Amino acid sequence: QVQLQESGSGLVKPSETLSLSCIVSGYSISSGYYWGWIRQPPGRGLDWIGNIYHTGSTYYNPSVKSRVTISVDTSKNQFSLKLSSVTAADTAVYYCVRVKGGYDSHHYYYMDVWGKGTTVTVSS
Amino acid sequence: SYVLTQPSSVSVAPGKTARITCGVNNIGRKSVHWYQQKPGQAPVLVIYHDSDRPSGIPERFSGSNSGNTATLTISRVEAGDEADYYCQVWDSSSDHVLFGGGTKLTVL
Repeated sequence: QVQLQESGSGLVKPSETLSLSCIVSGYSISSGYYWGWIRQPPGRGLDWIGNIYHTGSTYYNPSVKSRVTISVDTSKNQFSLKLSSVTAADTAVYYCVRVKGGYDSHHYYYMDVWGKGTTVTVSS
Repeated sequence: SYVLTQPSSVSVAPGKTARITCGVNNIGRKSVHWYQQKPGQAPVLVIYHDSDRPSGIPERFSGSNSGNTATLTISRVEAGDEADYYCQVWDSSSDHVLFGGGTKLTVL
């Protein structure tokens, strides 16, 4: 059974960098799939941050592209999120996800496994 | 980019059928996926590729997609189906994931 577990700082000061990791168990990141991050501000909907393939290729949401880096460490079977220059608007529950991607007359990506989520608050 | 439009709320009596829509121009040309999120929990995939169900999802959950509207249908609604539901597609024009705004399903 594939499981994802987020870890990282729950409190980040404005203008600093948010750093989260996601440890994957029950599946080898190198075996395939994309891996990604989704966030959900308090009381609001889901907001995609980005995806990464085990080879390192990435897709990022244009709204955060200038501030975000997603990386993968296959030796530790984990992937990470860094979001720089954070503001209060980045306060959210952050989920790491496994992403199934492919092409079948058109491209598709969907999230088939989710971590439980971790709350990140941006505050001084 | 574009916006996936969902009703903010849908109410249904137990045992009846709930239909939650997701609309955008020509959504029928895209692959639509649906997630269920109960309070305080992570979302769960309930429908992928318009109408496929992951293992463990009851047959009461079904999906369709045509023209400008995709629909998640929940038959014989139960109290445990009360949750927020989100549709999702891949926007090939800008290479990113899009979510609808979410629909709160209330079981009366």
